[in-house]
Amino acid sequence: NAGVTQTPKFQVLKTGQSMTLQCAQDMNHEYMSWYRQDPGMGLRLIHYSVGAGITDQGEVPNGYNVSRSTTEDFPLRLLSAAPSQTSVYFCASIGPTETQYFGPGTRLLVL
Amino acid sequence: TQLLEQSPQFLSIQEGENLTVYCNSSSVFSSLQWYRQEPGEGPVLLVTVVTGGEVKKLKRLTFQFGDARKDSSLHITAAQTGDTGLYLCAGEGGTSYGKLTFGQGTILTVHP
Repeated sequence: NAGVTQTPKFQVLKTGQSMTLQCAQDMNHEYMSWYRQDPGMGLRLIHYSVGAGITDQGEVPNGYNVSRSTTEDFPLRLLSAAPSQTSVYFCASIGPTETQYFGPGTRLLVL
Repeated sequence: TQLLEQSPQFLSIQEGENLTVYCNSSSVFSSLQWYRQEPGEGPVLLVTVVTGGEVKKLKRLTFQFGDARKDSSLHITAAQTGDTGLYLCAGEGGTSYGKLTFGQGTILTVHP
């Protein structure tokens, strides 16, 4: 059981470039989330999914797109990267009692 | 928008000391979770409290949920260097399953 996996671990982008952060879980959880973590701000919810084909916006969705074609995968797309999107991104799979199982994170630097 | 204020933001203590981290809100939460995060890793759940006034103990860690379910505290007795890390509280507002609001976090450093 790998739990939640995220790729890549690190990424450097130039302003305006696009990329996809990958997230996969093998726990058969219906609910999944994407957060960004910035110093002094805890984790902020970007997008959320309650199952394949269903997504919802979180607190800070601008500049990000998601899709959920399968239960296992929940990729996050940056459409046109901006320096303000420099952050650490965590994907979480949500299990019973609303426990969030986090992946190891992707560290993104936008120049 | 529900907000969670966590304090203190930084805590630096000596091994053996006791400490308390606070998590406060003006909103009511249906449950509150505490996570611990080590550098380079994702947060890991420590405990979930769901009932007002509830107290849960995890070895040297004691978690309390306020009677009105608006606040919570984490108390560590006789801190050890292995307790060093980022502690996060997160509240669930009861409207959407698993949609959490996180506090800003408390960075705890325990010195030998």
